Amino acid sequence: EAGVAQSPRYKIIEKRQSVAFWCNPISGHATLYWYQQILGQGPKLLIQFQNNGVVDDSQLPKDRFSAERLKGVDSTLKIQPAKLEDSAVYLCASSSDRANEQFFGPGTRLTVL
Amino acid sequence: GIQVEQSPPDLILQEGANSTLRCNFSDSVNNLQWFHQNPWGQLINLFYIPSGTKQNGRLSATTVATERYSLLYISSSQTTDSGVYFCAVKIQGAQKLVFGQGTRLTINP
Repeated sequence: EAGVAQSPRYKIIEKRQSVAFWCNPISGHATLYWYQQILGQGPKLLIQFQNNGVVDDSQLPKDRFSAERLKGVDSTLKIQPAKLEDSAVYLCASSSDRANEQFFGPGTRLTVL
Repeated sequence: GIQVEQSPPDLILQEGANSTLRCNFSDSVNNLQWFHQNPWGQLINLFYIPSGTKQNGRLSATTVATERYSLLYISSSQTTDSGVYFCAVKIQGAQKLVFGQGTRLTINP
């Protein structure tokens, strides 16, 4: 079974530019999560989808971050405009339902200069 | 919100040694996972263990839900075990998985 796929793996942009990340969850997994991991810390949830609906986006900085999961499968996370403090690894995860085990993709390492 | 504390923050051992990593949490949980983050940043699932004991090769884990802690045991450590180990929990009725700060394990040859 294929794991969670993410792209790109690395991205370097200048502040105030825009960037988008893509995630394809494990086939059949209804729940999809985006996490932000700042160097030296554990991952923190940004947004959670159940199928194509948002379950929790309380930690998403909505003035600059947006995410969508239009067909209930893959998802896109966008930052516009980026700030220096957005430099982090962005991890996508999926699970078969809300209580069960989460599986993570390889992440996208974002550097904002 | 729930607090997750991992100890020790750093651990340096020689190859072949055994180690115990601890995760304390402040509320009842219905999901607890242990992960190994390798040097490339990938989070590898080790155990899904909201309660009880599981073993997988040289690794085992025990969660005592009533006392709100979990332990990860690594026996006969190898250099490839190096990396950061994270504990993450989810409480009943909540949506998000909350991570601890991690334990950085270094295994020297």
